[in-house]
Amino acid sequence: GENVEQHPSTLSVQEGDSAVIKCTYSDSASNYFPWYKQELGKGPQLIIDIRSNVGEKKDQRIAVTLNKTAKHFSLHITETQPEDSAVYFCAASKNSGYSTLTFGKGTMLLVSP
Amino acid sequence: EADIYQTPRYLVIGTGKKITLECSQTMGHDKMYWYQQDPGMELHLIHYSYGVNSTEKGDLSSESTVSRIRTEHFPLTLESARPSHTSQYLCASSESGAGYGYTFGSGTRLTVV
Repeated sequence: GENVEQHPSTLSVQEGDSAVIKCTYSDSASNYFPWYKQELGKGPQLIIDIRSNVGEKKDQRIAVTLNKTAKHFSLHITETQPEDSAVYFCAASKNSGYSTLTFGKGTMLLVSP
Repeated sequence: EADIYQTPRYLVIGTGKKITLECSQTMGHDKMYWYQQDPGMELHLIHYSYGVNSTEKGDLSSESTVSRIRTEHFPLTLESARPSHTSQYLCASSESGAGYGYTFGSGTRLTVV
């Protein structure tokens, strides 16, 4: 089955710096890659996703890049703010109605003012 | 407003009790999921459903059971709670087909004493 590795497990940055979280996946048939943000006391919330026919996608301060050849994808957050502090999860799934998302183990991002 | 609801938010219960964690969604999603989240953040899929009368076991072995009699409702039951069941339980739903992100509820934090 699919295996998703996520690094780093914790990431501390100063406000205004950029943050990058990286994930690798094992199943070359995977073609959907969402990212989730989980704030304290809440469930994970989808913040951005990318499909295999696209190499990069941006939404304001966040962007995701995908390298299908190397089987890795990354989340980039620019101009970080204290409210970006949360746990971030990457995930991957195949192009099948019967597939489920395989999640990475999560990255705790701490943005210091 | 379309959403996914979990009740209760917090539950403290004695060993041996039977409990049901409720999950309902108003989005008409066919697919629903239960995750157990350990203190180290990792999400473990314990049950999922493709639609009414469909239930599947997830990657993590669980002593819980689920049912799917109505599209909008996906309760999780523990027949006899034990301290090892203490955890955060997250319910999610998604559209049918491939490549759709999940919408998560806020979770139920269960403590078995």
